[in-house]
Amino acid sequence: AQKITQTQPGMFVQEKEAVTLDCTYDTSDQSYGLFWYKQPSSGEMIFLIYQGSYDEQNATEGRYSLNFQKARKSANLVISASQLGDSAMYFCAIRNTPLVFGKGTRLSVIA
Amino acid sequence: SAVISQKPSRDICQRGTSLTIQCQVDSQVTMMFWYRQQPGQSLTLIATANQGSEATYESGFVIDKFPISRPNLTFSTLTVSNMSPEDSSIYLCSGGTEAFFGQGTRLTVV
Repeated sequence: AQKITQTQPGMFVQEKEAVTLDCTYDTSDQSYGLFWYKQPSSGEMIFLIYQGSYDEQNATEGRYSLNFQKARKSANLVISASQLGDSAMYFCAIRNTPLVFGKGTRLSVIA
Repeated sequence: SAVISQKPSRDICQRGTSLTIQCQVDSQVTMMFWYRQQPGQSLTLIATANQGSEATYESGFVIDKFPISRPNLTFSTLTVSNMSPEDSSIYLCSGGTEAFFGQGTRLTVV
């Protein structure tokens, strides 16, 4: 069975600083995908970034990057230059269909 | 990237009634997925819906409580039946590659 662990229930970061949200995973599959989502208070799930297990390069999407360390089974999300609008819940998920989610990290950006 | 429209976005319902949530994808997808997010919790998969066959339910979810329809490759509905306050949650659908979700339905049962 696949499992995602997010050990940080809550994080604070100063505006314009970078922040790393931790995610470790457990799977016996060789082929899998890792996702990060942002969930604001509205409740919608916003897709941020994806990393395939065979991708050699770390994924990047604008201010988001995924620090993928396959041997350590970690897929940390790095948000650079934090903005007040980044305050939300962040979920890490793994897929070999369907998605399995971690418990999430609540990020608060402080002005 | 798929665009997924979900409605209603929120509702307040009386216990014992049922609510049907609709999910529309802007392209044909083989599988659609329904998730529940209870207050303060993560997402849990309710069922996977394939067109032309019965939905596959995860442990703890049954068809009588959460009937699902999948009439074509772009549309699905989830019904929450005989609701109780414990059903108060956000319900989300996704489709295709699963990367994208609908806007979610915030259900409150009173």
